[in-house]
Amino acid sequence: DAMVIQNPRYQVTQFGKPVTLSCSQTLNHNVMYWYQQKSSQAPKLLFHYYDKDFNNEADTPDNFQSRRPNTSFCFLDIRSPGLGDAAMYLCATSRGGGRNTEAFFGQGTRLTVV
Amino acid sequence: AQRVTQPEKLLSVFKGAPVELKCNYSYSGSPELFWYVQYSRQRLQLLLRHISRESIKGFTADLNKGETSFHLKKPFAQEEDSAMYYCALTGSSNTGKLIFGQGTTLQVKP
Repeated sequence: DAMVIQNPRYQVTQFGKPVTLSCSQTLNHNVMYWYQQKSSQAPKLLFHYYDKDFNNEADTPDNFQSRRPNTSFCFLDIRSPGLGDAAMYLCATSRGGGRNTEAFFGQGTRLTVV
Repeated sequence: AQRVTQPEKLLSVFKGAPVELKCNYSYSGSPELFWYVQYSRQRLQLLLRHISRESIKGFTADLNKGETSFHLKKPFAQEEDSAMYYCALTGSSNTGKLIFGQGTTLQVKP
C-alpha cells in the first residue's frame, strides 16, 4: 500500500555518467517535490512541480533537472554526477493548496557516485 | 534568512523520562511549523503540525513566536519513540515546500 514509491532504493553511478531517479505516486496529489539529503544534513528542496508547473530553487545546480510526464510520475535527472552529488534523494507529494498541507515521502534513493 | 535549527543531534533518555526536542526558527514572515518523524527503516512522515494544536502519540508542540521556537515535548518517553525527528516550516508559498532542520535522533533506553 505504498503511496509514494521511489526506484531504485540504491543507485551507483560513475562520475560524469547521467543518471535518472524515479518517483511514482498513487495519491493523485498535485505537488511533487525532490529533496536532497546529504549525510547528517537537513533535507534540502531542489525543485517541485505544482501540476505541470516546474519550480526550481534558486540554488539548485543546473546539473539537476526534472521531468513530470503525468500526475503519477516524476523523474530526477543528474546530467553529470559529481562526487558531491552523493546523497539520499527524497521524493514527496502533497495536495498543495496551502501552507499546512501534509507532505508524503517515499523511502528515498541513496545515490553513490564512484 | 529562512532557517530551522535543531541544536541537539542526539538526545538519549530513559523510558518514562520526559522528553523535549528543541527547535528554533528564523523566518521574516509568519511560518507554519511541523514535526516530521522517521522511524528505523521507515519513510519520513508527519507527526504533528502547530495549527492543529493536537497531541499525537503523546507528543505536543507549542509555537512560541516571541522565542521563535517550536519545541516537541512528551511527558513520559517510550522505547517506541526512538527515531529521528525533524522540525520543519513552510513559508509564504502555498506550495507547501518545507525547510527542514538537521534532525535530532531520540534514543529511549529501557
